[in-house]
Amino acid sequence: EVQLVESGGGLVQPGGSLRLSCAASGFMFTDYYMDWVRQAPGKGLEWIGRTRDKTNSYTTEYAASVKGRFTIARDDSKNSVYLQMNSLKSEDTAVYYCVRDKFSGWGQGTLVTVSS
Amino acid sequence: DIQMTQSPSAMSASVGDRVTITCRASQGISTYLAWFQQKPGKVPQRLIYTVSSLQSGVPSRFSGSGSGTEFTLTISSLQPEDLATYYCLQEKSYPRTFGQGTKVEIK
Repeated sequence: EVQLVESGGGLVQPGGSLRLSCAASGFMFTDYYMDWVRQAPGKGLEWIGRTRDKTNSYTTEYAASVKGRFTIARDDSKNSVYLQMNSLKSEDTAVYYCVRDKFSGWGQGTLVTVSS
Repeated sequence: DIQMTQSPSAMSASVGDRVTITCRASQGISTYLAWFQQKPGKVPQRLIYTVSSLQSGVPSRFSGSGSGTEFTLTISSLQPEDLATYYCLQEKSYPRTFGQGTKVEIK
């Protein structure tokens, strides 16, 4: 069974930084691309980025709304993917989901609140 | 970027009704289209991928069709547990983009 467990969310001031982690289990992590998707309170789903696998040099893709501020990385030795968020804005307030390739498995989400 | 537009944004239907949700892409996406269901307070779940392939465990009353720029999700006989918001997603190009969602309520 695919399990994805996010952690690291919380309250942060505008302009601050936060690092989210996602621990994966139940599947061969090294074989999969991994995505992050967010959902602002009461709003729809927004894809924010992807990391590919080792075969594809761990290359990344980002949505324009986070490019240059957010960085996705992975550590295959720990079956984990990370989302480093810098220069946070109030509009980044959302539940952040870790998602397996093809959106075939989702974590439970972690809430990030950007507020002074 | 490819824009995904769903219609309607919300709807109300009775148990047993046939429900159809439409998703239009701003440019052709071939068959790179998936549908998701998000029940209130829950995590989204993939229902359908590559337009019409049913995710394992999803009831057969759900089906998908379409190609190019127009796609539909059909619930053949609405059940009370289908109360949810449904989203389409294109996987043709980056950035991946979701439709704005269709909220389905039960009369």
